[in-house]
Amino acid sequence: SQELEQSPQSLIVQEGKNLTINCTSSKTLYGLYWYKQKYGEGLIFLMMLQKGGEEKSHEKITAKLDEKKQQSSLHITASQPSHAGIYLCGADRGSTLGRLYFGRGTQLTVWP
Amino acid sequence: DAGVIQSPRHEVTEMGQEVTLRCKPISGHDYLFWYRQTMMRGLELLIYFNNNVPIDDSGMPEDRFSAKMPNASFSTLKIQPSEPRDSAVYFCASSLVRDFGEKLFFGSGTQLSVL
Repeated sequence: SQELEQSPQSLIVQEGKNLTINCTSSKTLYGLYWYKQKYGEGLIFLMMLQKGGEEKSHEKITAKLDEKKQQSSLHITASQPSHAGIYLCGADRGSTLGRLYFGRGTQLTVWP
Repeated sequence: DAGVIQSPRHEVTEMGQEVTLRCKPISGHDYLFWYRQTMMRGLELLIYFNNNVPIDDSGMPEDRFSAKMPNASFSTLKIQPSEPRDSAVYFCASSLVRDFGEKLFFGSGTQLSVL
């Protein structure tokens, strides 16, 4: 079974629209990572959240971790075609040093 | 830094052939991970090494898969014999882990197609 559930699986939005991607775990997480993947490329690190209730922003992307540290959301404001790609959440359970578990990813398409 | 380097970028082979994927981690990183990505199962951890020693290979699907890390700057993932269901993107990642919360740095992946 998947360690992390991501929703939606795919998302198609018009340029300029806001969007949210969710990542849910059935277990409390030590750390929650967001990565972005473009076609034919590896995963690029976006942000990491560790504390319950933590929120981080970079340019137009904001990530939050809930108080229970079991759910995270990634919000993109005023989306652009450059935001298109696959967004994956990865989890550190704090049980095995260095190991991350990943969700299946959300495919984001932004059309002009 | 050049980042994690994987080769080849693309590999097309016939069923039954041996396939070897290569990875050069970021210099100084002491953890190396091999992941496989498919549409059905997403990104799965196959095996990881710490200081060149395999720590957890429970994700390796079958005996047809083997991985080695002869030194700190090189690792291989071998599939012998290959099967069509092995078709996927294989990623190598490395990290300098001193505590929980360290991020992984990924290579660009090897797209494997087994016909």
